[in-house]
Amino acid sequence: GESVGLHLPTLSVQEGDNSIINCAYSNSASDYFIWYKQESGKGPQFIIDIRSNMDKRQGQRVTVLLNKTVKHLSLQIAATQPGDSAVYFCAETGGSNYKLTFGKGTLLTVNP
Amino acid sequence: DSGVTQTPKHLITATGQRVTLRCSPRSGDLSVYWYQQSLDQGLQFLIQYYNGEERAKGNILERFSAQQFPDLHSELNLSSLELGDSALYFCASSVFQTGELFFGEGSRLTVL
Repeated sequence: GESVGLHLPTLSVQEGDNSIINCAYSNSASDYFIWYKQESGKGPQFIIDIRSNMDKRQGQRVTVLLNKTVKHLSLQIAATQPGDSAVYFCAETGGSNYKLTFGKGTLLTVNP
Repeated sequence: DSGVTQTPKHLITATGQRVTLRCSPRSGDLSVYWYQQSLDQGLQFLIQYYNGEERAKGNILERFSAQQFPDLHSELNLSSLELGDSALYFCASSVFQTGELFFGEGSRLTVL
């Protein structure tokens, strides 16, 4: 598969465990945040989003938490499965309506 | 399958050459975005078009240009190629000018 980063933060978990992936952002004007998943050799895929007027949003097996005070975003994956192995990116709109800025990504490895 | 089509999937060329990458957005999507993904830079926003008009510009080099045609497909032109231009180039589309982006599978450019 293709490597998307030589110096990515990595997280290794056992199958069935819960995973928490963190992201810090710097622009206090950011008002929309998205988590993307990128599997090897594929394009990023939308997981879940959250607007700045919320602090938590849940999807299927995933939860995004937003702490605007410390400019921190996290993605929680429940009962992590081998198919969850991928690079996870947080993305934000830095106050602009048009430009989505991506973080560096975190490599999640799920061990069977 | 995101519905976004990119061609070619792989391209190998020499320094100084010019290439064109093509993107067909999802049916109904008016916005097209181009991103560059390299090993050390992550996903970098290049440029965005909405309904044929340029709406946002990121870290796009002057040697690069793009356009969106009346049928909403987009092309990214890369000229005077350098070794450092080797990367994955992703196209994404969305219905409006921001929000959930749907990514294609990418075009891998190798400059020798």
